[in-house]
Order: sequence, then C-alpha cells, then structure tokens
Amino acid sequence: LAKTTQPISMDSYEGQEVNITCSHNNIATNDYITWYQQFPSQGPRFIIQGYKTKVTNEVASLFIPADRKSSTLSLPRVSLSDTAVYYCLVGDRGFGNEKLTFGTGTRLTIIP
Amino acid sequence: DTAVSQTPKYLVTQMGNDKSIKCEQNLGHDTMYWYKQDSKKFLKIMFSYNNKELIINETVPNRFSPKSPDKAHLNLHINSLELGDSAVYFCAAVSGREQYFGPGTRLTVT
Repeated sequence: LAKTTQPISMDSYEGQEVNITCSHNNIATNDYITWYQQFPSQGPRFIIQGYKTKVTNEVASLFIPADRKSSTLSLPRVSLSDTAVYYCLVGDRGFGNEKLTFGTGTRLTIIP
Repeated sequence: DTAVSQTPKYLVTQMGNDKSIKCEQNLGHDTMYWYKQDSKKFLKIMFSYNNKELIINETVPNRFSPKSPDKAHLNLHINSLELGDSAVYFCAAVSGREQYFGPGTRLTVT
C-alpha cells in the first residue's frame, strides 16, 4: 500500500513556476502516479499522469526520478485560478483498485 | 453536458435514517468508484464497481451498499446513518488510469 506524503500548503506569486513534491516510498512496480486538482465544492480533476522520467501536457509537467520514490508536479506561470488543492495518487490501473491512496493534498494559494 | 452527475448536492438528515445518493455518468465507462472525503479532506475509496462486479474496501461498514441499475448509474445506499457518516461523497467514472469525478454530495447527519 503506497502511502503518499505532500506538503500541507504552499504560497506562490502569479507568474511564477510552482513545484509540488509527493513522496511515495512504498510505490509498487505496477503503480502509476497521478495528480488531481480540486477546487472548493467540486470533485477532483485529472491533471497529469506518469510512470517514470518526465511527462508534459498543456497544463503541467511531472518529474519522476529513477527510483520512483517521489514525484514533482510543476505548474508553469501560475495564475490566481490555479489556487486549489492538489492531490497525488499512487496506484495501478486495474479494476478493483480499492487500495488507491490519495495523498493528504497540498493547498496552493496564488498571491496577486 | 456533465460527464458525471450526482444528486442531491446537499443532504441533511437525522441519525438512524436511511438515505440514497445517486450517481450517473454519460461517458460509457465500465468502472465506477465511490469515495468519501472527510472534514480533513482525505479522499478514501469505498467501492469499485465494474460490469456488475463489486469490490468493497474492507474498512467500509456494511451499512453502505452500492446499487447499479444499469451501466450508467451507481447509487449509494446508506442505512442507519451515524454522525460519523457526515462527509462529502464523490462518485467517479474510470477510463484506463484516469478518473472523472462527480461534483460531490455533502451529507450532514444530525
């Protein structure tokens, strides 16, 4: 069971790059790392997913070192609308993934 | 169109009552989950459901039971509600490794 650890909160100014790290020391071979964003009174929304090295999409990048015991979500040039809670999720893709483990979440606040 | 919807959005009820939360997805995905998010914002999976096969997280009390009348729906029934059941409940439809969450139902037990 891959337990994850994230910083509870982070602050950043608009226009800066923000990096949020998640520790998952017990990650299993079949596990993928997924990041979700959650706004107040909404369900989590998928941001990015990866298995190893680096993944980039239109909104973020995900860096995963070779040992896969941690991962870093990178948000380029953040804006006020990026203020949200960010969750790291570690688990494999199989059905019956009742042991999916979300991290504690990082509350990111963007300052004007 | 909303991919995953839940009703009601808010539910206030008394201890001992039985209630249901409905979830509908129009994505055509085979797998759906129910999550509970407590006051500390921890998200914990409760059930996995795929083509009539149900897998239950062993920590979930048997007062909770999911019911799927068809592929697009996975409803959550809760019997004999307790104060500790107060939380936000999310359903999610799963495609591959990506989950699409509903807007959540805030349940308050008084």
